[in-house]
Amino acid sequence: GAGVSQSPSNKVTEKGKDVELRCDPISGHTALYWYRQRLGQGLEFLIYFQGNSAPDKSGLPSDRFSAERTGESVSTLTIQRTQQEDSAVYLCASRQGGSNEKLFFGSGTQLSVL
Amino acid sequence: AQSVAQPEDQVNVAEGNPLTVKCTYSVSGNPYLFWYVQYPNRGLQFLLKYITGDNLVKGSYGFEAEFNKSQTSFHLKKPSALVSDSALYFCAVRANQAGTALIFGKGTTLSVSS
Repeated sequence: GAGVSQSPSNKVTEKGKDVELRCDPISGHTALYWYRQRLGQGLEFLIYFQGNSAPDKSGLPSDRFSAERTGESVSTLTIQRTQQEDSAVYLCASRQGGSNEKLFFGSGTQLSVL
Repeated sequence: AQSVAQPEDQVNVAEGNPLTVKCTYSVSGNPYLFWYVQYPNRGLQFLLKYITGDNLVKGSYGFEAEFNKSQTSFHLKKPSALVSDSALYFCAVRANQAGTALIFGKGTTLSVSS
């Protein structure tokens, strides 16, 4: 596709369940980011993948959160034992890498934990 | 550690008046600086960036921003605001080093009244 694709667009889950969120970046983009945006708040950095380098996981809020990326394509963000405070929009973004610094964002996954 | 501060949660201006949305940053070394905009019910969009060169950078929709190294600021400006500029604006920074993540501020809501 032409843009960053995220699925599902909405996810409602029960407290304690695990969820998996998916991001398909723009083809050829080497860098991929995950952010969280709670209602009425700013963007909270979660994790950053750049090519084959070790990911920057410094933003993950707890060990319940993890993310994987297959080569330079799909990424999945997994939240285990979800809590109500995990409710937020999870945004994925990608960029081409090198000297191209412009980020392209997906539409996000709205996660609601009941 | 990198950080971005947007000291104003909300900025209110009348249509036709100039607007300024403030941003200060902290980063080791030289910064890459960005502004992104989030319109209601739409995804985040790139506005402009400073990488190197002229301290005054021009971006989309008539916006511009001035990099001030001594004040570690990158304020967003527009000479004449439009009602359609009303949105949530995010400043972002990353260090000029390979493999560093892009960190966003908490955002400033701009409200332009007619």
